[in-house]
Amino acid sequence: GAVVSQHPSRVICKSGTSVKIECRSLDFQATTMFWYRQFPKKSLMLMATSNEGSKATYEQGVEKDKFLINHASLTLSTLTVTSAHPEDSSFYICSARDTAVDNSPLHFGNGTRLTVT
Amino acid sequence: AQKITQTQPGMFVQEKEAVTLDCTYDTSDQSYGLFWYKQPSSGEMIFLIYQGSYDEQNATEGRYSLNFQKARKSANLVISASQLGDSAMYFCAMREANSGNTPLVFGKGTRLSVIA
Repeated sequence: GAVVSQHPSRVICKSGTSVKIECRSLDFQATTMFWYRQFPKKSLMLMATSNEGSKATYEQGVEKDKFLINHASLTLSTLTVTSAHPEDSSFYICSARDTAVDNSPLHFGNGTRLTVT
Repeated sequence: AQKITQTQPGMFVQEKEAVTLDCTYDTSDQSYGLFWYKQPSSGEMIFLIYQGSYDEQNATEGRYSLNFQKARKSANLVISASQLGDSAMYFCAMREANSGNTPLVFGKGTRLSVIA
C-alpha cells in the first residue's frame, strides 16, 4: 500500500532556531501534500496545502513566513518552522493521496513531535 | 459551523462486544467522501474505512463497518468484536468535492477504551 515517510519523528530545539521536517511519498507520486498540526488531545488542524512546483496554500491564521513549505518534487514536501518558539511545540503530521487510485484515502506520515525549549 | 461532529469524547466497551462511534457531517456538496481513522498513542494515523456519497451500500472492512445514513448526514463507525488493541482515538473525516486536491476535515475525535 501507499506509504508516506516523515522525518524526524521527534525533535527538540532551542527557541529561535529553525527546524525542517521532511515528508516523502515512497511508492507513489503526490502533486499535492497536506500539512496538519495537532495539539495534545485535540483534532488535526489543516495548516497548508503543499503544491508541487508552486506556492503552498495556507489556511487562515497560519503564518506563511513562519511555516515555510517547499514541494520541490513529486515525492517530497518540507515544512520549516522558522525562529521556533515554545508555542510552536506541537505534533506535525503530513499526508498525501495516491491520485492514481480512485477514492484513495489520505496516507499519513508518522508525525513529528516538536518541542521548543 | 462544524463540518464534522463527533459528540462522544470518550467511550468504553467490553472486550468482544460491538461499539458504535457517532459522526455527523455538514456539507452542501453532492460528491463527498467520508473516512474513519484510528490514532493510537504512538500518533500515527491509520486509515480504517471509506464511504463515498454515491455509494449505496454501507462500507465494510473486516471488523469495521460504516453505518451511512445520507438523509441524516451521519456516518457512524461500528467496530465488532472489540479487541484490547482497538483502544485509541478515532477520527471521522470528510473530503468535500471528493477530488485528489481536497484535504480532509476532521472531527474532534472519540477516545475508545476497550476493557478486558
